[in-house]
Amino acid sequence: AQKITQTQPGMFVQEKEAVTLDCTYDTSDQSYGLFWYKQPSSGEMIFLIYQGSYDEQNATEGRYSLNFQKARKSANLVISASQLGDSAMYFCAWANQAGTALIFGKGTTLSVSS
Amino acid sequence: GAVVSQHPSWVICKSGTSVKIECRSLDFQATTMFWYRQFPKQSLMLMATSNEGSKATYEQGVEKDKFLINHASLTLSTLTVTSAHPEDSSFYICSAGAGRAYGYTFGSGTRLTVV
Repeated sequence: AQKITQTQPGMFVQEKEAVTLDCTYDTSDQSYGLFWYKQPSSGEMIFLIYQGSYDEQNATEGRYSLNFQKARKSANLVISASQLGDSAMYFCAWANQAGTALIFGKGTTLSVSS
Repeated sequence: GAVVSQHPSWVICKSGTSVKIECRSLDFQATTMFWYRQFPKQSLMLMATSNEGSKATYEQGVEKDKFLINHASLTLSTLTVTSAHPEDSSFYICSAGAGRAYGYTFGSGTRLTVV
């Protein structure tokens, strides 16, 4: 069975600094997708970034980039120039190719201070 | 963009009653619907996966008779918490997939409180 591991329960960073949130996954599938979501206290799930297993380049979306190392089965999220509004819970998720499975890690709470 | 409307946003019910939560995809066909439960400061725990027109697949430990999931059409899935008890109080959230490894859309979640 697939498993997503986020080993950092909480991370603290100062405004304007970069931060890396770790995510490793375990799967025997060859084709899959990896996601990062942000969940503020309101509860909504905000999509941040997606990486396909066959994508050769690391995904980037504005201040977010995904450091994808397929051989190591890791998909770390890098947030550059942190902002106070980035304070939230962040989840890494794995999806199968068919779109019939979407599994989440335990999450990392990010706190950004001024 | 794709939108999933989830209702109600919050609900308070008496112990022993049933509560229905709806997730409706507004502008796309949701071939797969995932239902999650989330306790404060914890991860999204997958409860069940449903595909349109077929029975839901429940995760181990989730009571099928308590959490009834219906995915009658490509735009509507419902979760009914039957005979709710205080321990069922939680945040429930749905996610709709359109049959590919990307492109999941979440509902806004339902905060259920059973008193």
